[in-house]
Amino acid sequence: QKEVEQNSGPLSVPEGAIASLNCTYSDRGSQSFFWYRQYSGKSPELIMFIYSNGDKEDGRFTAQLNKASQYVSLLIRDSQPSDSATYLCAVGTASKLTFGTGTRLQVTL
Amino acid sequence: DGGITQSPKYLFRKEGQNVTLSCEQNLNHDAMYWYRQDPGQGLRLIYYSQIVNDFQKGDIAEGYSVSREKKESFPLTVTSAQKNPTAFYLCASSDGQAWGDTIYFGEGSWLTVV
Repeated sequence: QKEVEQNSGPLSVPEGAIASLNCTYSDRGSQSFFWYRQYSGKSPELIMFIYSNGDKEDGRFTAQLNKASQYVSLLIRDSQPSDSATYLCAVGTASKLTFGTGTRLQVTL
Repeated sequence: DGGITQSPKYLFRKEGQNVTLSCEQNLNHDAMYWYRQDPGQGLRLIYYSQIVNDFQKGDIAEGYSVSREKKESFPLTVTSAQKNPTAFYLCASSDGQAWGDTIYFGEGSWLTVV
């Protein structure tokens, strides 16, 4: 069974620090990788997607993909209290997307 | 505004009843999906449809049924055969491209069995 693993947290970081969220996956043939943010009681919203090895930056967010090691990470620079949420890693194509259980991030003042 | 609309947001079901969750999208997306989310668990795929009048079972289809008579609509029926239906249900859509396809979610529907 294809699996996506995330540390459930909570991951606590002070405001202004860098938050690093990690995700590992079991299907070596996976091609597409996504990060979603989910606030409590709300639906997931797409933050970033990445397809190629290396880094992809979008504002304060950087996604990092290492297919050889089968991990994908999300860095959040200058963390803000509004970043406090659960971050879901998803791997695969749209019709065969496997989600991790999410990492809860808490940004403290 | 373009988006995915789910209704109702909150729904209570009595034991033995069927209930239907509505999902409508005006994004002109070909593919639509239903996911279920339980506390502490990841999203699990119930059903998906890549084209009108066609749909496929996901990982947890038992006790659920769907239809796709129109491109913009993909209702989910939770039948009495679903023994533990209390959960957060998420409808999603994507443009259906083979490569680079990205899923976007509606606001979700909370279903509680009373």
